Amino acid sequence: SAVISQKPSRDICQRGTSLTIQCQVDSQVTMMFWYRQQPGQSLTLIATANQGSEATYESGFVIDKFPISRPNLTFSTLTVSNMSPEDSSIYLCSVDRDNYGYTFGSGTRLTVV
Amino acid sequence: DAKTTQPTSMDCAEGRAANLPCNHSTISGNEYVYWYRQIHSQGPQYIIHGLKNNETNEMASLIITEDRKSSTLILPHATLRDTAVYYCIVSANAGGTSYGKLTFGQGTILTVHP
Repeated sequence: SAVISQKPSRDICQRGTSLTIQCQVDSQVTMMFWYRQQPGQSLTLIATANQGSEATYESGFVIDKFPISRPNLTFSTLTVSNMSPEDSSIYLCSVDRDNYGYTFGSGTRLTVV
Repeated sequence: DAKTTQPTSMDCAEGRAANLPCNHSTISGNEYVYWYRQIHSQGPQYIIHGLKNNETNEMASLIITEDRKSSTLILPHATLRDTAVYYCIVSANAGGTSYGKLTFGQGTILTVHP
């Protein structure tokens, strides 16, 4: 299955600032997915990122708050903008690997103070 | 997406089989049943998936009922390292409207004890 490298693994940020999370895959994939896991909660899909087109956002998530880039078939970034303490979560990227299901990165643990 | 129902928690003795049930009575014909697990502070780990036939791999077996309304994940010889939250998810593969949209419920907290 795919190997996903996600950076940073964790960060502590000041409210009002922005953080960009990187997701690098070891092979080309058509779609990449970004999830959020709030403390003590399950995962929630933020958006789907296709190369060459704008990301598709799920209900409750907007591009101004979570802009996504997908410059090529192996890389994507998610930015958490104008952060508040409510944005403290684990952010994960995921890719589809055919018959191996979906592979997840190890996540970025974000704390906003 | 079809919703799933899982018990909140289960216990299992080390070395015994762990049988985790899941109900997905509204599953569509093109939706697969996926199982993932999440060990504390890690990303979800893919375990197995299937459409209608039973499946087995090196990690587990997946038993899907004939009407596809429920399934059971079987860990044949549970170890302490299998302690995790186990998620049962239904989603379509490429071409399906729910492709890629894994809707995670609260899952089952499996605790394997010595």
